[in-house]
Amino acid sequence: NAGVMQNPRHLVRRRGQEARLRCSPMKGHSHVYWYRQLPEEGLKFMVYLQKENIIDESGMPKERFSAEFPKEGPSILRIQQVVRGDSAAYFCASSPGIVEGNIQYFGAGTRLSVL
Amino acid sequence: DAKTTQPPSMDCAEGRAANLPCNHSTISGNEYVYWYRQIHSQGPQYIIHGLKNNETNEMASLIITEDRKSSTLILPHATLRDTAVYYCIVRVEGTASKLTFGTGTRLQVTL
Repeated sequence: NAGVMQNPRHLVRRRGQEARLRCSPMKGHSHVYWYRQLPEEGLKFMVYLQKENIIDESGMPKERFSAEFPKEGPSILRIQQVVRGDSAAYFCASSPGIVEGNIQYFGAGTRLSVL
Repeated sequence: DAKTTQPPSMDCAEGRAANLPCNHSTISGNEYVYWYRQIHSQGPQYIIHGLKNNETNEMASLIITEDRKSSTLILPHATLRDTAVYYCIVRVEGTASKLTFGTGTRLQVTL
């Protein structure tokens, strides 16, 4: 059973470009979470999605950031017009829902560098 | 979710037990204690969780005090690969809610 897969592992963008981060949840998991870790800081929740629905986006910046989890395919975290302050590690987690303790399993992350 | 307090750092000799404390004095009756760790630059890794009874799995043991206001994560035989930041998180089980990470405890395992 493959774990949570994130790609790319490393992403370099110039200021003003768009960044697309992908997350494929574990098999059988329908809940996806995105977290961000700025350099030398802790993990901060961004958004929680179920298939085709955003459940909690209380941690998402108001502008330039969006997330989706379509019926088919991976979850996408999209950052438009990136700025240097967006440089961080972005982690995706998935869970099976309200079973088995609803444990969240994390991917290896995408490290975004904005030049 | 209840707030947790952990020491910022701890050292442990390889082969010895590592005991990581966590204070959660405002925990509610339906909140569980979860432990995760983050090895340098990797994604967080689930370790164990429990409500009020002590729990053990292949990675660690979790001891929760009777009043549930504090707990201890025990790594019985720490190795260098256990060097990581350990996070204690209190959360209602059965809700698909976010995890709120604090600053955790940085455990350094030494030879």
